[in-house]
Amino acid sequence: GAVVSQHPSWVICKSGTSVKIECRSLDFQATTMFWYRQFPKQSLMLMATSNEGSKATYEQGVEKDKFLINHASLTLSTLTVTSAHPEDSSFYICSAPPGQGAPGNQPQHFGDGTRLSIL
Amino acid sequence: GENVEQHPSTLSVQEGDSAVIKCTYSDSASNYFPWYKQELGKRPQLIIDIRSNVGEKKDQRIAVTLNKTAKHFSLHITETQPEDSAVYFCAAVNDYKLSFGAGTTVTVRA
Repeated sequence: GAVVSQHPSWVICKSGTSVKIECRSLDFQATTMFWYRQFPKQSLMLMATSNEGSKATYEQGVEKDKFLINHASLTLSTLTVTSAHPEDSSFYICSAPPGQGAPGNQPQHFGDGTRLSIL
Repeated sequence: GENVEQHPSTLSVQEGDSAVIKCTYSDSASNYFPWYKQELGKRPQLIIDIRSNVGEKKDQRIAVTLNKTAKHFSLHITETQPEDSAVYFCAAVNDYKLSFGAGTTVTVRA
């Protein structure tokens, strides 16, 4: 079945470092991808919607200059956490609808998530 | 935007008993309601879903009900087993966007 590949699965880095997370749709085209953040023992919160060939749409309260999203192809979306600080430590996960033109009432495909730890 | 409330936040049941989790949503445009099971550090796994034109759906020990008028939906797990212990999230979907509930930590006591 359709799969979304997310890398890296775990990142530990120093404060001030920028970290890039990739989500790749392996056997389908993803014109849209969603990026979520999940703090420990909390729910998944939508951060932004990534749109192929156009600017991402950010949810209220999410700093677009800090969380840079690029969706340059139909199979790849990236999230870059710029100048990361300890408070950015979280579980980041992407999801994609099952293909171009798929109805909105279909299960989405999730990546495996990236655990980001900023020291 | 959509607001999904989920209750209870924790649920402890004896093995073999039933577990029920309830969610409400605010946006009448939401038309798809998936339920996810998430284990620590892993991606959410879809366990059952229901679309807005259906009132009830069952898959073996798991069932979901939807009341569109009242804007609430529920997950029912019967004959619970230790492997059902996990965090469960409900979600409401409108135009592909998922809004998740806060989650329910289910513990099945052997």
